Amino acid sequence: TQLLEQSPQFLSIQEGENLTVYCNSSSVFSSLQWYRQEPGEGPVLLVTVVTGGEVKKLKRLTFQFGDARKDSSLHITAAQPGDTGLYLCAGARGGSNYKLTFGKGTLLTVNP
Amino acid sequence: DTGVSQDPRHKITKRGQNVTFRCDPISEHNRLYWYRQTLGQGPEFLTYFQNEAQLEKSRLLSDRFSAERPKGSFSTLEIQRTEQGDSAMYLCASSPPGGPGEQYFGPGTRLTVT
Repeated sequence: TQLLEQSPQFLSIQEGENLTVYCNSSSVFSSLQWYRQEPGEGPVLLVTVVTGGEVKKLKRLTFQFGDARKDSSLHITAAQPGDTGLYLCAGARGGSNYKLTFGKGTLLTVNP
Repeated sequence: DTGVSQDPRHKITKRGQNVTFRCDPISEHNRLYWYRQTLGQGPEFLTYFQNEAQLEKSRLLSDRFSAERPKGSFSTLEIQRTEQGDSAMYLCASSPPGGPGEQYFGPGTRLTVT
């Protein structure tokens, strides 16, 4: 059972365009993390959101955690080729171990 | 801070052989996790250590898999009698005490079983 659904699965855009990717679940998470992964490498942590309704910005990236802490979005403004990669969302469902449940990811390609 | 390191980065083995992977977490991170990632999928949780204690194991971790973290620092993941279905990227992550549980991943070990 896939607890976290990411959409779209694939996205190919031109440099300079804006985009939004989504991460949805029917489960409540105590925290949600976004990662970017390049081929053959481990995921790199971009942001952690904890509070419902929280918005965090990282340069051209804006992350939002849903009010009910079941969903999240990542918006990229003026995408650049260096943004190309697999974007993964991962939720921790509380308890003491914080193990993460990952979505399948959104594979983003930004063409020059 | 040198980040999480994993060794080896790549391993090719024949079916039936045993393999062992090593993970060195970020120093002072007391939590250590192992995940497995196959093509087109996100990482899947395998097991979790807090200090030297293994506190949770996924049902994905069959009897052929064993993980240790003997001194609460580095960890090893051993797969015995490898099968072709074990081919995957094995990822290690560590997390500091307290906080919301953000995890920092290593570069992974790519296992290919022929």
